[in-house]
Amino acid sequence: ELKVEQNPLFLSMQEEKNYTIYCNYSTTSDRLYWYRQDPGKSLESLFVLLSNGAVKQEGRLMASLDTKARLSTLHITAAVHDLSATYFCAVDWDAGKSTFGDGTTLTVKP
Amino acid sequence: GAGVSQSPRYKVAKRGQDVALRCDPISGHVSLFWYQQALGQGPEFLTYFQNEAQLDKSGLPSDRFFAERPEGSVSTLKIQRTQQEDSAVYLCASSPTGSYGYTFGSGTRLTVV
Repeated sequence: ELKVEQNPLFLSMQEEKNYTIYCNYSTTSDRLYWYRQDPGKSLESLFVLLSNGAVKQEGRLMASLDTKARLSTLHITAAVHDLSATYFCAVDWDAGKSTFGDGTTLTVKP
Repeated sequence: GAGVSQSPRYKVAKRGQDVALRCDPISGHVSLFWYQQALGQGPEFLTYFQNEAQLDKSGLPSDRFFAERPEGSVSTLKIQRTQQEDSAVYLCASSPTGSYGYTFGSGTRLTVV
């Protein structure tokens, strides 16, 4: 059974500082996703990581994947209030079905 | 349509009542998934369709849960004799063939009282 663990589960960030969220998974997979979810809203796809060493960046967010370590990181550069949300990583395990982590809730404070 | 549409957005059911949740995927998307998201947790896989074929229903929590997609487009998730533990947000996602990543709908928040 594939397990996906995110840490931390809660992160209070100060504006303009940098932070990293970690996503560990238990078995081999060739596809990892990062999603953002605002309260009461659905999941917004941020990144799809397909291979070892993959790195993708969008604005202040950068995601990377190390398939050997079964680890993905989501790095936040110079946090701003707009980034406050819950972030999920998800790993595909069979024909596109995903196992999600429990999410990391980010709060950016001035 | 422009996105994945789910209805109703909110549903309150009395325990023991049957409910039906609808998902209208993006036109042409072959794959359709249902997920259940409990409060404060990540979504959990329920079932998966490719066109009208239900290829995996291993995540359905009990035989009270039933999903169908008879014409390969709209899908319905039915829950019979609802229980309080069924209270959750039910998310539908769709994907075209050979694509990575999914588009999620806004979900249906089911509350069983």
